[in-house]
Amino acid sequence: DQQVKQNSPSLSVQEGRISILNCDYTNSMFDYFLWYKKYPAEGPTFLISISSIKDKNEDGRFTVFLNKSAKHLSLHIVPSQPGDSAVYFCAASAKTSGSRLTFGEGTQLTVNP
Amino acid sequence: SQTIHQWPATLVQPVGSPLSLECTVEGTSNPNLYWYRQAAGRGLQLLFYSVGIGQISSEVPQNLSASRPQDRQFILSSKKLLLSDSGFYLCAWKRQLLNYGYTFGSGTRLTVV
Repeated sequence: DQQVKQNSPSLSVQEGRISILNCDYTNSMFDYFLWYKKYPAEGPTFLISISSIKDKNEDGRFTVFLNKSAKHLSLHIVPSQPGDSAVYFCAASAKTSGSRLTFGEGTQLTVNP
Repeated sequence: SQTIHQWPATLVQPVGSPLSLECTVEGTSNPNLYWYRQAAGRGLQLLFYSVGIGQISSEVPQNLSASRPQDRQFILSSKKLLLSDSGFYLCAWKRQLLNYGYTFGSGTRLTVV
């Protein structure tokens, strides 16, 4: 049962344009959502998060949007830079499950110069 | 500051051989510890987590086991490796009672041949 899904395995955008990465979830108990960035042969690093009481959180070029009714969140990167090329994982947690993170499958973002 | 160490970085093991991957955390006490695996083309799957010494919870049935002999040490083991055990193994920690702030190690690439 895949509770967190990232349906796009890959995304390619031009430098300077917007990157939009999407994530859907099924567990209505999830109350905290995070995005991680992962380079090859490295561990994921935390990027940005959002609580279920909010619908938007912004940090520099990165903005996460949460649509609870649709059980959907997205990560916007504006403007995209070649250094943003990495695998992006969406993750969710619920207090009722001890706040363990459930990850999506990841989306490979490639930003072309 | 807190740091997490994971070793070895890469490992090639024959089928049927034993496995021991070690993870240690510095600069904190009583962390929650996690083992994740990323199989080829797949997302991050939680294998084990621990909220204290000797306390291990398994998320999926498998050929692996975990132990926490000390507060900041988490070990992933197998008595006999299978080909399907190949993957990228990640250790992570977070402070208890927080639903965010997972920090990952740099990972171990395991290839079973």
